[in-house]
Amino acid sequence: AQTVTQSQPEMSVQEAETVTLSCTYDTSESDYYLFWYKQPPSRQMILVIRQEAYKQQNATENRFSVNFQKAAKSFSLKISDSQLGDAAMYFCAPGEAGTASKLTFGTGTRLQVTL
Amino acid sequence: NAGVTQTPKFRILKIGQSMTLQCAQDMNHNYMYWYRQDPGMGLKLIYYSVGAGITDKGEVPNGYNVSRSTTEDFPLRLELAAPSQTSVYFCASSYSWRDLSYEQYFGPGTRLTVT
Repeated sequence: AQTVTQSQPEMSVQEAETVTLSCTYDTSESDYYLFWYKQPPSRQMILVIRQEAYKQQNATENRFSVNFQKAAKSFSLKISDSQLGDAAMYFCAPGEAGTASKLTFGTGTRLQVTL
Repeated sequence: NAGVTQTPKFRILKIGQSMTLQCAQDMNHNYMYWYRQDPGMGLKLIYYSVGAGITDKGEVPNGYNVSRSTTEDFPLRLELAAPSQTSVYFCASSYSWRDLSYEQYFGPGTRLTVT
């Protein structure tokens, strides 16, 4: 079983600035994946970035990068050069590797982007 | 590709009524999932399927049933609707092969109200 904690219910960032969203998790799995999903007001769930737990290198996807600390079970998301379109709910979700690949979602962080 | 499609987008049910939420994907994914998202919360797994004819319970299966007769379709059945089932329902699919897991693709969601 996996549990996820997103301790920041809301965050605010100015346009063009950088913001970091935190996530900690607990898992008994030895092999797993970690995802950040974005949910804008449209309600659509959109993949932001994924990290394989067996990889030491932090994943990067354009302006989005993660800081993955496996021993500390921490998986934070950094958004650089924030844009108005980044305003959304962000969910951290560890997932089981292999069979079923089930995800466990955190309660989310609402990100506001101001001018 | 249409991706993951869900029907209907919105539905209001009376207590005790039944209905089926439809989900289809055209990406030939082997895994499919149903989640519910209550207000201000993350997604919780209701049921999942690792292939046609194979389904299993997730975290919150009570009050729901599923079937998977084809790779493409994964309907969710609500029997005897209760106000506690008021939620937004998401269907998702993913591809997995051996121990490799890939991201889940989500449908647009169905907003269900039970009164």
